[in-house]
Amino acid sequence: GAGVSQSPSNKVTEKGKDVELRCDPISGHTALYWYRQSLGQGLEFLIYFQGNSAPDKSGLPSDRFSAERTGGSVSTLTIQRTQQEDSAVYLCASSRGTGGESGSAFFGPGTRLTVL
Amino acid sequence: GQNIDQPTEMTATEGAIVQINCTYQTSGFNGLFWYQQHAGEAPTFLSYNVLDGLEEKGRFSSFLSRSKGYSYLLLKELQMKDSASYLCAVRGAGGYNKLIFGAGTRLAVHP
Repeated sequence: GAGVSQSPSNKVTEKGKDVELRCDPISGHTALYWYRQSLGQGLEFLIYFQGNSAPDKSGLPSDRFSAERTGGSVSTLTIQRTQQEDSAVYLCASSRGTGGESGSAFFGPGTRLTVL
Repeated sequence: GQNIDQPTEMTATEGAIVQINCTYQTSGFNGLFWYQQHAGEAPTFLSYNVLDGLEEKGRFSSFLSRSKGYSYLLLKELQMKDSASYLCAVRGAGGYNKLIFGAGTRLAVHP
């Protein structure tokens, strides 16, 4: 597709359930990011994939959070045993590279996660 | 590590000029980006600076001073549609080359 896509657009779940969020980056983009944004707040970095390098997981808030990127393309963010504080918009972004303006990230529309 | 500071909120009048400042500390430096985010929407890319000086793109300009760890976004001829959050983001170098965002500056443009 032309842009970054994410699914689902909205997810309501019960506390304690696991959820999977999906991101399809722009074709050919080597870098992929996950951020989360609580209402009225900035973007909190979660995880970063760049090519075949080991992902930078330094932003994951707890071991309940994990992410994979298969075949250098699609990524899945998994949250296990969800808690109410996990409620936020989860944004995925991709960039063509990491040097120069090619490092500018293009964002998907986000997944709004609500944990009841 | 990386740290980015921006004012939380600003207000301005339609037709005026506004400057949004950003200061940063980073391990290495590989570029500074400005993004615009309207309420309920995803951020969109506005500008990129890696060398000192001013980059101009229409009504928007962005300035960088690497020695001072400082950037600003200048918006001219403000329009009501410019009401949005403006996010400063920095890419470090080496093992810190992920893109880190500041908390954003919420700009309200009024008539």
